[in-house]
Amino acid sequence: GEDVEQSLFLSVREGDSSVINCTYTDSSSTYLYWYKQEPGAGLQLLTYIFSNMDMKQDQRLTVLLNKKDKHLSLRIADTQTGDSAIYFCAEMEYGNKLVFGAGTILRVKS
Amino acid sequence: EAGVTQSPTHLIKTRGQQVTLRCSPISGHTSVYWYQQALGLGLQFLLWYDEGEERNRGNFPPRFSGRQFPNYSSELNVNALELEDSALYLCASSTRTGAVIEQYFGPGTRLTVT
Repeated sequence: GEDVEQSLFLSVREGDSSVINCTYTDSSSTYLYWYKQEPGAGLQLLTYIFSNMDMKQDQRLTVLLNKKDKHLSLRIADTQTGDSAIYFCAEMEYGNKLVFGAGTILRVKS
Repeated sequence: EAGVTQSPTHLIKTRGQQVTLRCSPISGHTSVYWYQQALGLGLQFLLWYDEGEERNRGNFPPRFSGRQFPNYSSELNVNALELEDSALYLCASSTRTGAVIEQYFGPGTRLTVT
């Protein structure tokens, strides 16, 4: 399948945790990625997880994967104003093709 | 280490014209990918080149084409431009770390078709 869905907008206060959610549909084993896009810029690879894992932690970032529900989340601890951006989840499909969600706009209020 | 570079940064073309966008991958990367980010349509996969060959193609008409050179840089060509081709065109290059493929993106070329 080629459907990756995300919540569109999230607003948090500086210092709080942010949780961005994503669902995917491909039932095969694959890698799932999180990218960050700041205004006027390209995509920055943040982290990735293989679909047979439950969790991956990388500094302030924690990725949780619920395989049964095909639900992926990205938690950002101690969110800073510099974290304000659009966050995309993506799954790798056949032929090295990344299929992206529509993106979640994260706004961090100081 | 230099990242993926793209040129030009911005481009304005008229409907029916042709355009060429350029991409230089990260040193040591042999694969180059092209994606289109159009307003309302999100990020769509266009093309994948590896070792000079087209390996995969997204759901785009044949007027979107490209090539990869022996130094692994790549060009994306769009013929007979249409208004809906206005978008940010992103190039990425990849390396493989074990089984995972990490695609690193350039800053993009903003194409406006009038």
